[in-house]
Amino acid sequence: QKEVEQNSGPLSVPEGAIASLNCTYSDRVSQSFFWYRQYSGKSPELIMSIYSNGDKEDGRFTAQLNKASQYVSLLIRDSQPSDSATYLCAVNVRGATNKLIFGTGTLLAVQP
Amino acid sequence: GAVVSQHPSRVICKSGTSVKIECRSLDFQATTMFWYRQFPKQSLMLMATSNEGSKATYEQGVEKDKFLINHASLTLSTLTVTSAHPEDSSFYICSARDSEKSTDTQYFGPGTRLTVL
Repeated sequence: QKEVEQNSGPLSVPEGAIASLNCTYSDRVSQSFFWYRQYSGKSPELIMSIYSNGDKEDGRFTAQLNKASQYVSLLIRDSQPSDSATYLCAVNVRGATNKLIFGTGTLLAVQP
Repeated sequence: GAVVSQHPSRVICKSGTSVKIECRSLDFQATTMFWYRQFPKQSLMLMATSNEGSKATYEQGVEKDKFLINHASLTLSTLTVTSAHPEDSSFYICSARDSEKSTDTQYFGPGTRLTVL
């Protein structure tokens, strides 16, 4: 089992719809969870971080964390064509280096 | 805030030459920086963790003598790809953690696209 799993997609949604991106992780002691957006040919940019169970909202983005189910999701409301990108889920690995483990990403395509 | 730069953004070199890539945190200090490599249509693969003032920690399968990392200051880490070969052609991305904050958040540089002929 991979440490961080995401559906590779593509996830296609119409403009204005809600896009739902999901991620599961295997390490129960993980404490920090991140969503990054990566446009083709560019480096990742941070969208949101979440540390506690429940929802965290920032503009059109809502991150949801359920540690019991080892599940983290990202909802994008009012999806725009400019949201079309690969969304990477990242989970920390506690230890000396506190490094992040990235999922393979979900490609989101918002259709105008 | 939390801006990370990389230089160069793109480099083309001949096989057998060495290439140095710089990663700088512009508005924060970074005790820890990370170096990733990304091949087309694949996810980020962590190569090594760069620690200011000490040796880097390399991931399994990454040759430390081929990918030399130096983190001599709180704002600069360098990755040198020695004796580069075409299979080293990739997108190299660094990230940095803000030393003043307790979070694990990593801020990424814009990446360096290396092409070895």
